[in-house]
Amino acid sequence: GAVVSQHPSWVICKSGTSVKIECRSLDFQATTMFWYRQFPKQSLMLMATSNEGSKATYEQGVEKDKFLINHASLTLSTLTVTSAHPEDSSFYICSAKPPTGYRGDEQFFGPGTRLTVL
Amino acid sequence: DAKTTQPTSMDCAEGRAANLPCNHSTISGNEYVYWYRQIHSQGPQYIIHGLKNNETNEMASLIITEDRKSSTLILPHATLRDTAVYYCIVIPGNQFYFGTGTSLTVIP
Repeated sequence: GAVVSQHPSWVICKSGTSVKIECRSLDFQATTMFWYRQFPKQSLMLMATSNEGSKATYEQGVEKDKFLINHASLTLSTLTVTSAHPEDSSFYICSAKPPTGYRGDEQFFGPGTRLTVL
Repeated sequence: DAKTTQPTSMDCAEGRAANLPCNHSTISGNEYVYWYRQIHSQGPQYIIHGLKNNETNEMASLIITEDRKSSTLILPHATLRDTAVYYCIVIPGNQFYFGTGTSLTVIP
């Protein structure tokens, strides 16, 4: 159990276009989801915390108008990279947190989405 | 910001125990220590977590010092598939802040 999926696994787009990445919790409801970004040979960097039905909370230095997050249901959060540029090329990973009490504060991570902006 | 420090890299012979240390000297009394690992180009995978007591599961053991300022993840019989980056994370509430992790290479 506790599986998180992401779609697409990889995407290539032209500079200036927008890309949407989906994150789904397949067998549990996630009131909170998280989005991370990882550049080559670097660690994961938390971008934002997404709570179902409310606005996402962005980490310092992350542009909320560029990285639009929508958490419309308890099993789906989306990240839209607007007007993507080559410097946005990265590995984007989401995670989902089950309801309180399930194995503490454990987060379940998706497999990641590789974004390449040409 | 990450509240942990780990060695950048380690090697371990296949079949031997891999001991991965983590320093978390500023940990608060109610903060858990979590360990995840990330195999290349995949999402992080949960390994184990603990608060005060030592913990063991089918993957690993977690030894937490009495003062809770450091911990050690033990993979009892490392295999080639255990080659990955291992992250020690202290949870101050909801968010996970990843440090640099330890790149473990299991050598045949």
